[in-house]
Amino acid sequence: QQPVQSPQAVILREGEDAVINCSSSKALYSVHWYRQKHGEAPIFLMILLKGGEQKGHDKISASFNEKKQQSSLYLTASQLSYSGTYFCGTEKSGATNKLIFGTGTLLAVQP
Amino acid sequence: NAGVTQTPKFRVLKTGQSMTLLCAQDMNHEYMYWYRQDPGMGLRLIHYSVGEGTTAKGEVPDGYNVSRLKKQNFLLGLESAAPSQTSVYFCASSYSFYTSGKNNEQFFGPGTRLTVL
Repeated sequence: QQPVQSPQAVILREGEDAVINCSSSKALYSVHWYRQKHGEAPIFLMILLKGGEQKGHDKISASFNEKKQQSSLYLTASQLSYSGTYFCGTEKSGATNKLIFGTGTLLAVQP
Repeated sequence: NAGVTQTPKFRVLKTGQSMTLLCAQDMNHEYMYWYRQDPGMGLRLIHYSVGEGTTAKGEVPDGYNVSRLKKQNFLLGLESAAPSQTSVYFCASSYSFYTSGKNNEQFFGPGTRLTVL
């Protein structure tokens, strides 16, 4: 039931791009994305509510394909501050606000 | 606003001891959650609450109990701690989109690192 994230880890140079994928075996109502730096709490990035929806936040954007039950997070022109672990949280029903988180993708951006 | 606060920040217990973790939020959120985070496992939901006086089980509820007597507080109890409960515990809170119309992003507390010997 836990969504599967890929890759598990990725190392980038500053300015490079990355894609993180999140796949679920269940139909989804929404997908949340969070970033967590080492020793800190997760911080919200964005929510995608509709199939095919795409959102952007600075140089970080995401898409949600409801039919394929998957979401992708796009990081373009990566910065050192993008380093951390990225988690997707999937919501099966809008009635519960209950998220099931993936196991995370560790992103390391090097100078 | 303090946001979501958790006490204590660190705790060491012996097997069989009990303790309560306190979570407080000052954002008037309807929903509150307790997660545990273990290496390679991500965040796993223990229990959650959709409002004052209500609680529900999450993915990994065994060995834990919760109470939400006041809207701003959510307590997580361990009655008889076991080494398998060594983890980092995060509390979170959110609005309900359906009752408030607001974005239901989750706001996390700073975490409690618990070690059970």
